[in-house]
Amino acid sequence: NAGVTQTPKFRILKIGQSMTLQCAQDMNHNYMYWYRQDPGMGLKLIYYSVGAGITDKGEVPNGYNVSRSTTEDFPLRLELAAPSQTSVYFCASSFTTGLRTNGYTFGSGTRLTVV
Amino acid sequence: KNEVEQSPQNLTAQEGEFITINCSYSVGISALHWLQQHPGGGIVSLFMLSSGKKKHGRLIATINIQEKHSSLHITASHPRDSAVYICAVSYGGSQGNLIFGKGTKLSVKP
Repeated sequence: NAGVTQTPKFRILKIGQSMTLQCAQDMNHNYMYWYRQDPGMGLKLIYYSVGAGITDKGEVPNGYNVSRSTTEDFPLRLELAAPSQTSVYFCASSFTTGLRTNGYTFGSGTRLTVV
Repeated sequence: KNEVEQSPQNLTAQEGEFITINCSYSVGISALHWLQQHPGGGIVSLFMLSSGKKKHGRLIATINIQEKHSSLHITASHPRDSAVYICAVSYGGSQGNLIFGKGTKLSVKP
């Protein structure tokens, strides 16, 4: 099992450019998440998905979009990149039913710089 | 809104020392998670617990539900334990989201 795979690991974008961060998991987890981690702060939820075809906003969704066409993939799209989106992005997944979860698996992160 | 507070923010120890990192939270939760993040690396889940105590190798995690407090202990610390340790809580519901503390940066000197 590869777990959660994120690509790319590093990227530099110019202001106004767009890009897609890829995330794939092979554990048949139903829930997937995108978080951003800023220096000195706890991770913040951007978007999450409870299953294929279903996505919802988290705490900091502005400037991002997601889709979940399959159980395995959960790409994060940045449109019109801004310096405020400079951060480290983590994708995660879990198998969650009702009030219970079996734990979370994280990707290795994408370090994004917008200049 | 659930707040997750960790202490200390930074911790330097000598190899072999016993280490404790603390986490407190403000509202009821379904589970508490301890995560490890190495410099430049990803995040690894160490423990998920909703009561009592769990042990894995030199790591021990405890939780006191009544006091809304958890501790992560490292026995016989080693330089390879140097990392950021993150406490996070989940409180169930349809979102399944984690609320994260800011992390404790641990440096173990040889």
